[in-house]
Amino acid sequence: GEDVEQSLFLSVREGDSSVINCTYTDSSSTYLYWYKQEPGAGLQLLTYIFSNMDMKQDQRLTVLLNKKDKHLSLRIADTQTGDSAIYFCAESRDDKIIFGKGTRLHILP
Amino acid sequence: KAGVTQTPRYLIKTRGQQVTLSCSPISGHRSVSWYQQTPGQGLQFLFEYFSETQRNKGNFPGRFSGRQFSNSRSEMNVSTLELGDSALYLCASSKGQGAYEQYFGPGTRLTVT
Repeated sequence: GEDVEQSLFLSVREGDSSVINCTYTDSSSTYLYWYKQEPGAGLQLLTYIFSNMDMKQDQRLTVLLNKKDKHLSLRIADTQTGDSAIYFCAESRDDKIIFGKGTRLHILP
Repeated sequence: KAGVTQTPRYLIKTRGQQVTLSCSPISGHRSVSWYQQTPGQGLQFLFEYFSETQRNKGNFPGRFSGRQFSNSRSEMNVSTLELGDSALYLCASSKGQGAYEQYFGPGTRLTVT
């Protein structure tokens, strides 16, 4: 398909790890991104990974890339209430950034 | 370093009117991209400007236009507004052109009545 796909909702207990999954479409995408959007705000670039990498870790965030399956995931360790937001997966394609529809992460107490 | 700023933050217009939105990129960034965000369609790319030239365009009608000034500030204009143009319009800036690290502003919420 032509779309970047991600599940719409994820509920996680506070303190647990959150894993948000995404499939992208263009095997030649150079960059793959994760953005975070809190209510009423713009998008915050959380992290990005070059297509020649398998993994990138940045504090509580771990990005895994499986190029063969065109699968990208974002793991948030020790999920906190402040992590409640919509998370967008995106790929670079034709010199543009193409976004998925976003995964709403809900934190359970 | 100041982030991307967009003005105004909120706007209410009526059908048939036109609107101009403004975006000031991060200092030193020369590329500005515009996106439309709606609940139904998600985030859709409008266009990108680099060094005052439009270098990429999404699938939007000609009513949507933009420009970039020599100081990298950008404006987008929507003419003959339709109800479906109600959306959050986001601007993003980056140092280089194309799909690179883009940093977003808070957006302008446009409501068309």
